Amino acid sequence: RKEVEQDPGPFNVPEGATVAFNCTYSNSASQSFFWYRQDCRKEPKLLMSVYSSGNEDGRFTAQLNRASQYISLLIRDSKLSDSATYLCVVGSGDYKLSFGAGTTVTVRA
Amino acid sequence: NAGVTQTPKFQVLKTGQSMTLQCAQDMNHNSMYWYRQDPGMGLRLIYYSASEGTTDKGEVPNGYNVSRLNKREFSLRLESAAPSQTSVYFCASSEYAGMNTEAFFGQGTRLTVV
Repeated sequence: RKEVEQDPGPFNVPEGATVAFNCTYSNSASQSFFWYRQDCRKEPKLLMSVYSSGNEDGRFTAQLNRASQYISLLIRDSKLSDSATYLCVVGSGDYKLSFGAGTTVTVRA
Repeated sequence: NAGVTQTPKFQVLKTGQSMTLQCAQDMNHNSMYWYRQDPGMGLRLIYYSASEGTTDKGEVPNGYNVSRLNKREFSLRLESAAPSQTSVYFCASSEYAGMNTEAFFGQGTRLTVV
């Protein structure tokens, strides 16, 4: 079983729509959680950390559910520029960041 | 601000050839990492260096070696390239090898082994 699993999508949404997706993680001892964004053929970049109480950054909201071992990302009022692959990342040890394979979001005009 | 710089950006090797991927960071980070990214599999850690002078294996170290030349530079060597090593390679760095620190990535090296 993969340590971090994501629905690959693609999620194809119109501008202005809300899109949400989850990722699940297998290690119950995981302690840090992130969403990274990766544009086509580019390097991943940190979008936001995910805190236990949930957190917002502008149009982006991240939630953590430790009991069910998943994290979610919700994007409100989608923009064309939100089209990317979103990587779920979970930290479980001193060095180890486990990456999901990514969820692809395409926002259409 | 250069951040993390990788060279080369593209490379084609024949099976059995060797090469070294170079990585340098200018953020005074202690920890550096090499990942590979394959379709449908996410990034997988090859090797990491928690601090200058130390290196350790990640998930998929076979066929690779690394050198932490100094605090800035961390190179990845393929001694005898195989088609299974065709991938996109990313170098990354973070302030320290803790779980809650942001990792900054280089632009990637697209390697094809034929």
